Amino acid sequence: EVQLVESGGGLVQPGGSLRLSCAASGFTYTNYWLHWVRQAPGKGLLWVAHIGLDGGNTNYADSVRGRFTVSRDNADNTLYLQMNSLRAEDTAVYFCVREITTSSGRSFDCWGQGTLVTVSS
Amino acid sequence: DIQMTQSPSSLSASVGDRVTITCRASQSIITYLNWYQQKPGKAPNLLIYAASSLQSGVPSRFSGSGSGTDFTLTISSLQPEDFATYYCQQSYSTPRTFGQGTKVEI
Repeated sequence: EVQLVESGGGLVQPGGSLRLSCAASGFTYTNYWLHWVRQAPGKGLLWVAHIGLDGGNTNYADSVRGRFTVSRDNADNTLYLQMNSLRAEDTAVYFCVREITTSSGRSFDCWGQGTLVTVSS
Repeated sequence: DIQMTQSPSSLSASVGDRVTITCRASQSIITYLNWYQQKPGKAPNLLIYAASSLQSGVPSRFSGSGSGTDFTLTISSLQPEDFATYYCQQSYSTPRTFGQGTKVEI
């Protein structure tokens, strides 16, 4: 069974740091780009970051660039999101997502269950 | 960045109704358009990819159409389990932007 399981969320003070992890199983991990998508309480979906197959191709939403770092461990099938200088507006459920690429296009075909990050004093 | 605009933001419908949701991109995205369904407290679930291809396991009452900048998600006969929020997303370029969502309510 294809599975993505996030962990590492919790309550953190403004200005603090947190590292999210996403353990992948049930598929050939190194064949897929991976993304982080977040959803603030009661709001819509916002793409946060992506990472390419070997970890060398990364990109970020403007709102997190310079504060967040995405990485992957291809030996351990784990995706990470290091979040620094956290702000109240970063409060959200963070989803780890697999992107599948076919001849037709690209789509997010597998999502983790999400982990809640709350930034508050 | 490509902006995605969905309409309506919410709609009320009954079981058996035909429901149509539209999504417009700020520039041509060819057919790099996906649709997701999200139920409260759950992760989104892929319904339609490449504008009109039905994801495996998704009921055939869901269909998608469109190309360029204008796209449509249609539910041919609304079922009780279809009450949810629906999002379009473009995968033409980074960032992979989403529409603001359409909540389908009773």
